[in-house]
Amino acid sequence: QVQLVQSGAEVKKPGASVKVSCKASGYTFTGYYIHWLRQAPGQGLEWMGWINPNSGGTNYAQNFQGRVTMTRDTSISTAFMELNRLRSDDTAVYYCVRELLPMSTSATTECFQDWGHGTLVTVSS
Amino acid sequence: EIVLTQSPGTLSLSPGERATLSCRASQSVSRNYLGWYQQKPGQAPRLLIYGASSRATGIPDRFSGSGSGTDFTLIISRLEPEDFAVYFCQQYGSSPLTFGGGTKVEMK
Repeated sequence: QVQLVQSGAEVKKPGASVKVSCKASGYTFTGYYIHWLRQAPGQGLEWMGWINPNSGGTNYAQNFQGRVTMTRDTSISTAFMELNRLRSDDTAVYYCVRELLPMSTSATTECFQDWGHGTLVTVSS
Repeated sequence: EIVLTQSPGTLSLSPGERATLSCRASQSVSRNYLGWYQQKPGQAPRLLIYGASSRATGIPDRFSGSGSGTDFTLIISRLEPEDFAVYFCQQYGSSPLTFGGGTKVEMK
C-alpha cells in the first residue's frame, strides 16, 4: 500500500531554516507529483507547491517564492521541503501528499488521496 | 486566486440526519475540478470526492458531491457517528490550489 512517511517534529528559532523529508513506498516514486501543504493550528490548509520526482521540476506558490525549496532523491524515494527565514506564523503541520493519478494521465488531478502523517514545525524564540 | 467560502461554519446534527455542506467559489472552477476532504482531530485529511462528484476509493455511498461553476455541495445522506468531523473543499482548476475554511459537523 502507498505510504508517505515524514520526518519528526522540529522546533526552530525565527530566522532559521527547516528541512522536512517524505519517504515514499508502495508505488513508483517517479510516477506521481508530490505536493506540500501546511495547516496552522486550528486553521485551514495552504498549498505550498509541487515537485515532479521524475524531472526534479518544481512549481511554488507565490506566497513562498524565494523562501521554499523542494527537492528529491530518487535513489531513496524521498522528497524534501526546505523553508528558510522562518517566522512565528510558519508554525504549522506540514504535509507531503501524492496526486490522485499518475503523471502519465492527461487529466489534471491535483487532489490528494495519499497523505503523510504530517510534521509539526514550531517556530519560537 | 480563487477564494472558496464554505457554509455553514458549524452544522449541529444527530446521527441518521442528512448533512448539506456548501462551497462557493469566487470565480468559476475550471472543469469542475473541486474536491472534498474530511479531517478528524489529529489526523491528516481524507479525500472523499474529486471532480465535484466522483467518490474516492473506499468512500461510502452516503457521501455525494454535486455542483458546477461556482456552487458546489457535499451531502452526507445519513450521518454515522464516525462522520462527525471537519470538511474542507479544494479547487484544483487553477493555480494556486486553494482550500475553503472548513465546515465542522458536530453532534447535536
